[in-house]
Amino acid sequence: GQSLEQPSEVTAVEGAIVQINCTYQTSGFYGLSWYQQHDGGAPTFLSYNGLDGLEETGRFSSFLSRSDSYGYLLLQELQMKDSASYFCASVEGRRALTFGSGTRLQVQP
Amino acid sequence: DAGVTQSPTHLIKTRGQHVTLRCSPISGHKSVSWYQQVLGQGPQFIFQYYEKEERGRGNFPDRFSARQFPNYSSELNVNALLLGDSALYLCASSLSRGGTTINQPQHFGDGTRLSIL
Repeated sequence: GQSLEQPSEVTAVEGAIVQINCTYQTSGFYGLSWYQQHDGGAPTFLSYNGLDGLEETGRFSSFLSRSDSYGYLLLQELQMKDSASYFCASVEGRRALTFGSGTRLQVQP
Repeated sequence: DAGVTQSPTHLIKTRGQHVTLRCSPISGHKSVSWYQQVLGQGPQFIFQYYEKEERGRGNFPDRFSARQFPNYSSELNVNALLLGDSALYLCASSLSRGGTTINQPQHFGDGTRLSIL
């Protein structure tokens, strides 16, 4: 079956950098996506890695290593509004996404 | 532009009842997926539809069914409700081509919170 592992909680201070890791075991793997979800809100798309390497979108970057079945999301210049749950999700072709259980990020002043 | 809209936003049912949840995708999106999210967990894939055809099914019992209409809106039906069906049900649409979700972001609605008493 498919499984993605990520830490359950991460705490950091405003202005800092935080990395959320994700390891996966899936079949038919095409790529890794990251989603942000605030409490009571809908998941929103952050990034997608279809190839090995780093993708940068503003303060957020995401990395994928297929040989290590590993990826991470890097958040820079943390702001209070970044406090949310972050999910890695594997993209498996015609099927939809398989999500990890999420990492709850708490940003402190 | 309107995002993905779901109705109702909240619903309370009792065990054994049936429920229908509705979803309207973003205009131009032909792929609709349904997910179940239990508190504290990531969304779990239930179904994907593209051009009115089922393109994927997750590990859910046959009590769960769905369909997609010619205007690409979708319904999720759950029969014989159990306490364990209490969850947030999310609908997502994407600009999938040929039914594939590769590198196409999923756009989620705010969900329907279903409570089973």
